[in-house]
Parts: sequence; C-alpha cells; structure tokens
Amino acid sequence: DTAVSQTPKYLVTQMGNDKSIKCEQNLGHDTMYWYKQDSKKFLKIMFSYNNKELIINETVPNRFSPKSPDKAHLNLHINSLELGDSAVYFCASSRGGEQFFGPGTRLTVL
Amino acid sequence: GQQVMQIPQYQHVQEGEDFTTYCNSSTTLSNIQWYKQRPGGHPVFLIQLVKSGEVKKQKRLTFQFGEAKKNSSLHITATQTTDVGTYFCAGPRSGAGSYQLTFGKGTKLSVIP
Repeated sequence: DTAVSQTPKYLVTQMGNDKSIKCEQNLGHDTMYWYKQDSKKFLKIMFSYNNKELIINETVPNRFSPKSPDKAHLNLHINSLELGDSAVYFCASSRGGEQFFGPGTRLTVL
Repeated sequence: GQQVMQIPQYQHVQEGEDFTTYCNSSTTLSNIQWYKQRPGGHPVFLIQLVKSGEVKKQKRLTFQFGEAKKNSSLHITATQTTDVGTYFCAGPRSGAGSYQLTFGKGTKLSVIP
C-alpha cells in the first residue's frame, strides 16, 4: 500500500484556471505538508497542518489554500494559476520526526 | 531568517570515488535530517541526527552532526551508480515548532561508471 499518495501525477492547465491537487496518507500521521520544488530542485515548505494548526509560509501567495476534509487528507487548491506556479508539488506527512513524501504532482501552466 | 546552506551544489565523481556534501545552518538546530531524491523521484528520509558530535553510519554512508549543532556532513565511500541523486539536509524551521523543516538546496551527485 502506498503510504502517501497524490493525484494527479501530471497537471497541465492554462493561466488563470483554478485547480486542485489531492493528497492522502494512510500512516495515521497527525501532520501533513505541502512543498513546492522548482526547476532548480529547491524544496520549499508551503504549509503544514496538524488538524488544528495551519502554519503558512509567509512567501506563499494567498491564491494557494490547503483544505483538509479529515486527518488523512490535505488537498491543495490553487486559484488563478500563473506561469510561475509551474513546479512539482509534493505532499508529505509525519508524526513530528521523519517526513514521508508522496510521489509528486508536476504542474505545468501554459 | 533561518538559512540552511549546502555545498557543493553539484558533484561529479568517478564510480568508486568518495563523495561528501556539507550542510551549514545560520542557527543552532535541535536535530538535522538527511533525505535522498533519485532523478524523477521524491525525497526519501535517510537519517536524523540529534546529539552534538553524533556520527552515524549506514553501510557506505557516514553522517556527522557538528559539536555546535550548526553543521552536518554526509560522506559516501566508494560511490556506486545507485548513489546517483540529490541529497538534502533539513533542519527544524525557526518559529514553526517541530513540524516544519527548512531544506538546504541540495547536492546533486552524478556517478560516472
């Protein structure tokens, strides 16, 4: 069984559209994350969420919003997509120590 | 703000040669983690170091945590083609509790057979 899964794996869309990426973990972890990895492979934390506390990295535009329907899911919704949003987005989860990453979603904005 | 710096950014080695990547934090870290990302893959946790001066080994990989808990290194002995990938260090992000990590920019290792 996949510990952390994301859908879709690839997402190609036009500028200005709204899109969502889904993430699910079956590890029973309390904390989930979203990361953005750009073309230079820099890995930047966007959000962390542990049921009650949402911590947002100050550099993340408010067009990005995490939505957690339950403890096992943390979806990423992006409004008004821009060219600079093109990147690989990784979901991850942890119990406070090591983080388990999903396979990533490659987003391309045209 | 907190910075985690990693050098070198790229390293090309002949198979069988050794490889080292260095990580430096602008702040003292409670712990440091190392991850490996294969080409086209996702980061995979390798190890966590917690104690000052700690040294841990995993087969050909040796991890060190500095005495001041501000720097760390990963050394690979006799590299193999399976070692190819990007190695990241990561430390707890200041002011964000223990939940968030700040990642270094990674060292991309290429191994020439």
